Amino acid sequence: AQTVTQSQPEMSVQEAETVTLSCTYDTSESDYYLFWYKQPPSRQMILVIRQEAYKQQNATENRFSVNFQKAAKSFSLKISDSQLGDAAMYFCAYRSSRSARQLTFGSGTQLTVLP
Amino acid sequence: DAMVIQNPRYQVTQFGKPVTLSCSQTLNHNVMYWYQQKSSQAPKLLFHYYDKDFNNEADTPDNFQSRRPNTSFCFLDIRSPGLGDAAMYLCATSRSGQGTPSGRAGEQFFGPGTRLTVL
Repeated sequence: AQTVTQSQPEMSVQEAETVTLSCTYDTSESDYYLFWYKQPPSRQMILVIRQEAYKQQNATENRFSVNFQKAAKSFSLKISDSQLGDAAMYFCAYRSSRSARQLTFGSGTQLTVLP
Repeated sequence: DAMVIQNPRYQVTQFGKPVTLSCSQTLNHNVMYWYQQKSSQAPKLLFHYYDKDFNNEADTPDNFQSRRPNTSFCFLDIRSPGLGDAAMYLCATSRSGQGTPSGRAGEQFFGPGTRLTVL
């Protein structure tokens, strides 16, 4: 079974600075998807960024980028130029490309942005 | 805008009194999911529908049931809520199978959730 580990329950960053959230996962599969979801205090889960395992290039979405290290099974999220609106719980998630359709979530990292 | 809608946003019920939570979607996605999320925890999948096929997670209590009368709607029924069932319930949808854009494969769209309180 796949597992996803987020070793940082809480992180803080100064506004306009850069922060990196860590995620590692365990799988025996070679093809899968990885996601970072953001859940602000309003609680609606929003997709931040996704990565297909077969792609070597790291995904980027505006101020958000990932460092995907397939051999190390690491998938970290970098937030550049942090804004107050980035404050939220961030979940790393794994999805197999095979029959299983559910997401396996990490335990989350609570990000605080300091003004 | 296409979206996932959950009603009500807040639900209060009494111990043992059946309750139904509703989810609807305008995305025309063929897969719908129900998650339970307790405070400061990751969402836990209860079950999902792939088209009309119901898929229950092995550790989902029998107290939780679901119905999907059509593509757009999915319901979560809690037959006899206990204090331990107080949580946020999240509905999500995704598109899977033929015709799914490769850039969207695996992506789930979440509703705002229903916060259930059990008195």
